[in-house]
Amino acid sequence: DADVTQTPRNRITKTGKRIMLECSQTKGHDRMYWYRQDPGLGLRLIYYSFDVKDINKGEISDGYSVSRQAQAKFSLSLESAIPNQTALYFCATSEVGDNEQFFGPGTRLTVL
Amino acid sequence: SQKIEQNSEALNIQEGKTATLTCNYTNYSPAYLQWYRQDPGRGPVFLLLIRENEKEKRKERLKVTFDTTLKQSLFHITASQPADSATYLCALVGGANNLFFGTGTRLTVIP
Repeated sequence: DADVTQTPRNRITKTGKRIMLECSQTKGHDRMYWYRQDPGLGLRLIYYSFDVKDINKGEISDGYSVSRQAQAKFSLSLESAIPNQTALYFCATSEVGDNEQFFGPGTRLTVL
Repeated sequence: SQKIEQNSEALNIQEGKTATLTCNYTNYSPAYLQWYRQDPGRGPVFLLLIRENEKEKRKERLKVTFDTTLKQSLFHITASQPADSATYLCALVGGANNLFFGTGTRLTVIP
């Protein structure tokens, strides 16, 4: 089984709809991250969480919110989706320190 | 603000040759730098980490250098194979130990 899983893998929705993307991990890591990836812009950090009670905004948090339900679960919400939020979204985890990040398979979100 | 540039969007190379990818950064003094590989439709996978006090790091056919004076990292794949074809991302650590990623270089190894 994959260490970092994301659901759904693909989602098409309409402008104004509320969307939740979910991430689960079995690695036992405290740190979790949400990124979006756009062609030509690379991976950009949306939110990150260093433990269940510690959630922080990243580079591009406007229009997004997150919830850390447990050490293993970190959800990303788009309260009112807009077309420029169409992107590939990745969840990642890491241990404390300068360690590598482990990425999930991604969610391809299209907002019409 | 910090800026990370990977030298080219795409690089084609003949099988067996050494591929060299470049990562340049400005307005930045990262304590370490990481390289990731990303295949189409998949999440990035960690390859190597190099710290600011290390000049070079090797792992099998991979070699990374880090020049803090030039603000540059070079990523080499020796004896390249078609299976090495992928997008390679460099990432620099910033505040709160978060990573900032370059846009990547898409490497194609031609048989």
